Parts: sequence; structure tokens; C-alpha cells
Amino acid sequence: EIVMTQSPATLSVSPGDGATLSCRASQSVRSNLAWFQQKPGQAPRLLIYGASTRAAGIPATFSGSGSGTEFTLTISSLQSEDFAVYYCQQYNNWPRKITFGQGTRLEIK
Amino acid sequence: EVQLLESGGALEQPGGSLRLSCAASGFTFSKYAMSWVRQPPGKGLEWVSTISNSGAATYYADSVQGRITVSRDNSKNTLYLQMNSLRAEDTAVYYCVVSTVTYFDHWGQGTLVTVSS
Repeated sequence: EIVMTQSPATLSVSPGDGATLSCRASQSVRSNLAWFQQKPGQAPRLLIYGASTRAAGIPATFSGSGSGTEFTLTISSLQSEDFAVYYCQQYNNWPRKITFGQGTRLEIK
Repeated sequence: EVQLLESGGALEQPGGSLRLSCAASGFTFSKYAMSWVRQPPGKGLEWVSTISNSGAATYYADSVQGRITVSRDNSKNTLYLQMNSLRAEDTAVYYCVVSTVTYFDHWGQGTLVTVSS
């Protein structure tokens, strides 16, 4: 099983600042990596797939990068609605053995 | 607009069974693979199962293999998850997810399964 490790567990950032979230895979997943945002009481929402492609309707303030085992989600100029939990997910062996990271909580500083 | 509506979640005793349903609309259901993802209260996301568009192929996480069966009825635009031999660790919100443009791009709002005596 491919283990996904996200860091940090919690990130405190001031509104208007940027944030960088990291995700590491225990073995290469090529570019088969997605990022999801989840707000309290809501279902997750797809932000990024293919490591760097924004999903439909996702603003350009969200960007993804990386390949292999190291990935980054960058959010520029944080708005109040961006404070949430973010998960990375690998689907390198789709539809088998899909795994998620444990999440990064982005909170207001 | 893609809509996924889960139902069937309930309080069930350990060892019991439940069947979850997911009613789909707003897209051609028979064209796309469907998945279940679960989230224990206050914890992260866990992929549970995926079924191909035709239903001919199914895939399961090791944690549920042998106890859970995914199926679909393309004539009713409905996805199912039959859960047997329930354990406390199966307690979670269960999400129905469709993969259209890419994987896991639309999610339902979830249904809560609680396993407790």
C-alpha cells in the first residue's frame, strides 16, 4: 500500500497571506495525485488532479506541483473561505489501492 | 448538475448488516465508475470500494474485503453498498463518489453509519 504523508498537520496563516501544503508518497505515484478541500459538515471537493490541473470552477489562487513522491499545494492570498482541511490522494493504481493523506488543517492565525 | 444522494445509514449492532444506496442524477450513470469513500467521525478519508461502469469489475480496500459488496443498477441510476459483519471501526460517514472528467470529481453529502451495541 502506498502511504501518503501530509505536512504540517496544522498550518496557521493570516488572511491575505499564502500557504504551502506538502504531501509525500512512500513510493512514486508519477503525477497521479489529487488534492481535496473539506469544510466542516461538508463533503470533500476536488481541487487539483494530475498533480497540477485545476478542477472545474477552482480559482487560480490554487495551484499544485510535483511528481513522483513529492507534491505541493499552494494557495495564494488566503480568503476566509479557504480555511479548511486539505487532503492529498494518490490513484496511481486506479481503481485499486487508492489512498489518502491524513490531512492538513489550515486555520486562521 | 451532478447530484448524488446517499441513504441507508443507521445505528446497527456489531455483527449486523446494512445496505447503503446512492441515487444519481444529472449525468449518464451507466458511463462512469462509481466509488464509496468513508470518513470516521473527526478523522480522515478512506477509500472503500470502486465499481466499473458496467458493474463487471469491483475493487475493495483490504479493510473491508470479504465483508462489503458494491453493486449498481444502471436501469435505476443507483449505486449500492452491502455491508455485513459490521464492526465498530466501520462507523463513519459514507460518501458516494463519481469519476467523470477525472477521478473522484463529484461527491454526495454522505450517510452516517454507526456500529454500536
